[in-house]
Amino acid sequence: GDSVTQMEGPVTLSEEAFLTINCTYTATGYPSLFWYVQYPGEGLQLLLKATKADDKGSNKGFEATYRKETTSFHLEKGSVQVSDSAVYFCALSVITNTGNQFYFGTGTSLTVIP
Amino acid sequence: NAGVTQTPKFQVLKTGQSMTLQCAQDMNHEYMSWYRQDPGMGLRLIHYSVGAGITDQGEVPNGYNVSRSTTEDFPLRLLSAAPSQTSVYFCASSRTRGVTQYFGPGTRLTVL
Repeated sequence: GDSVTQMEGPVTLSEEAFLTINCTYTATGYPSLFWYVQYPGEGLQLLLKATKADDKGSNKGFEATYRKETTSFHLEKGSVQVSDSAVYFCALSVITNTGNQFYFGTGTSLTVIP
Repeated sequence: NAGVTQTPKFQVLKTGQSMTLQCAQDMNHEYMSWYRQDPGMGLRLIHYSVGAGITDQGEVPNGYNVSRSTTEDFPLRLLSAAPSQTSVYFCASSRTRGVTQYFGPGTRLTVL
């Protein structure tokens, strides 16, 4: 069935390091792809999204490109900051016979140390 | 715009007690949903609603009831709390099903 798999954490990086969080998906149709971020003690917030193949979503220095050939939507940032410490969720939305359905990955915890 | 609000923020229950988690949104969204978040399992869909008067089950509906009498409100009822329902609960809403969802701050529930 439809699903999202993201790399397990936790991930610990030094400030200004390069970040990659891998996300791959399985979907029978043409999904939309999302990255959500959850800061400590808060709900999930949309970070970026892409709705079709080769689209690049970007926000706050984060980027992810919708790669249909590798069924991937990896999250990257060139230089992380302490304030980026959070849990990151990859998600997809796909059309099913009962309408659109959202699927979330298990989340990747990122800690950035000064 | 308050967005999606949830009350309470924290709750402790004893096994067998019942309670209602409140969720409200002021964005006139048609679609609302409840998720639970457990360590290592991501978010799992409990129930959802595509509009007032219409609800349906998600992935893990057992032990929970919902109703949607207005567009704004989507309460989640625990009928007889069990320790397995200890979790963080998030309510979310979106303009329609399948598009960007907006999440509330969550309710952390402990069942003893």
